[in-house]
Amino acid sequence: GEDVEQSLFLSVREGDSSVINCTYTDSSSTYLYWYKQEPGAGLQLLTYIFSNMDMKQDQRLTVLLNKKDKHLSLRIADTQTGDSAIYFCAESIKKYRYSGGGADGLTFGKGTHLIIQP
Amino acid sequence: GAVVSQHPSRVICKSGTSVKIECRSLDFQATTMFWYRQFPKQSLMLMATSNEGSKATYEQGVEKDKFLINHASLTLSTLTVTSAHPEDSSFYICSARHLAGLTSTDTQYFGPGTRLTVL
Repeated sequence: GEDVEQSLFLSVREGDSSVINCTYTDSSSTYLYWYKQEPGAGLQLLTYIFSNMDMKQDQRLTVLLNKKDKHLSLRIADTQTGDSAIYFCAESIKKYRYSGGGADGLTFGKGTHLIIQP
Repeated sequence: GAVVSQHPSRVICKSGTSVKIECRSLDFQATTMFWYRQFPKQSLMLMATSNEGSKATYEQGVEKDKFLINHASLTLSTLTVTSAHPEDSSFYICSARHLAGLTSTDTQYFGPGTRLTVL
């Protein structure tokens, strides 16, 4: 299967940590990504993790991967109003598609709306 | 680095006309570009994979004769929506695969998207 599941909304207070969770079903995923989308804008790559890693930290962002449970999380420390956006979890898959060629596009979750309370 | 642009950012057209959307990698070469569409409050759905110098690979359910893809150079891919209808109205986003060194990180960088409205 290719489902990627996320909660639709997360509300946190400014200054607290935000933890956005994601589950996926395709065990052959090679890379897993977190993208940020602000209103009316395109996607911004935040971070990614290779499937043989457990954790990756980049400034305020920490990604945790539990491959056994197929669970990915993104922690944003000291959440600010500028972090308000939709966060998409995505996995990289490699399959042969309808036209017979190889492809490794991304499968996205529906996105988590991060709402910051003052 | 790794900037991807799209043109136009917004287009409104009449039903039955064709619309071309350009996707450019500005500061890197992209042998592979991807086209996605996003309906309101929905996730992105992969439409097709565009490989430089070869035919695009389409996802199941995507009409290749309706969504024409051309990847003529390492920095440009175009998506043409032919004979557009109101149901084709959507947000179309491209991405370009950035090769890091000798191996690919599979990292895709996304363009800002094109809002297509078909009247």
